[in-house]
Amino acid sequence: QKEVEQDPGPLSVPEGAIVSLNCTYSNSAFQYFMWYRQYSRKGPELLMYTYSSGNKEDGRFTAQVDKSSKYISLFIRDSQPSDSATYLCAMSADNQGGKLIFGQGTELSVKP
Amino acid sequence: GAVVSQHPSRVICKSGTSVKIECRSLDFQATTMFWYRQFPKKSLMLMATSNEGSKATYEQGVEKDKFLINHASLTLSTLTVTSAHPEDSSFYICSAGRDSYKETQYFGPGTRLLVL
Repeated sequence: QKEVEQDPGPLSVPEGAIVSLNCTYSNSAFQYFMWYRQYSRKGPELLMYTYSSGNKEDGRFTAQVDKSSKYISLFIRDSQPSDSATYLCAMSADNQGGKLIFGQGTELSVKP
Repeated sequence: GAVVSQHPSRVICKSGTSVKIECRSLDFQATTMFWYRQFPKKSLMLMATSNEGSKATYEQGVEKDKFLINHASLTLSTLTVTSAHPEDSSFYICSAGRDSYKETQYFGPGTRLLVL
């Protein structure tokens, strides 16, 4: 079993839809949770960063962390065609020197 | 912001030659940088952790003599692919974390390597 599981998709939604992306993990030591967006042939771009449990909102994006269930989510409201990309969850633990463990990435396509 | 650059963005080389890729943190210092490799439609595979002023730490299965890493300053790490072969063709990405927030990493734009 991988440390971090993420449905690779692809996920296709119409413009304006609410998108829900999820990751599960097995290592209870993870404390830092991130979502990255990666466009084709580009480096990943940090979208959201959350420490421990809770919710964080930034514009159309909301990140949720449920440590009791070992489950994290990213919600995108009013999705736009420009949101079409691969979304990667990543997480790390203390004393790991910043090493990130990535999910497989979910490919999202928002149709106009 | 936190900007990380990579150079070159694309490189084509002949089999047997060596290729150097640079990773720079432009507006912050990074004692630790990371090198990843990514295959098409796959996630990022961590190759090694680059530490300023000391030897890099390689992940299991990554040949340290083939992928030489040098982190000579707080803003520059280099990855040299030695004696490149076609199977080394890939997308190489570096990342760097601010020293006070090591868990938040910022990625470079990546370098696409094609070995003929």
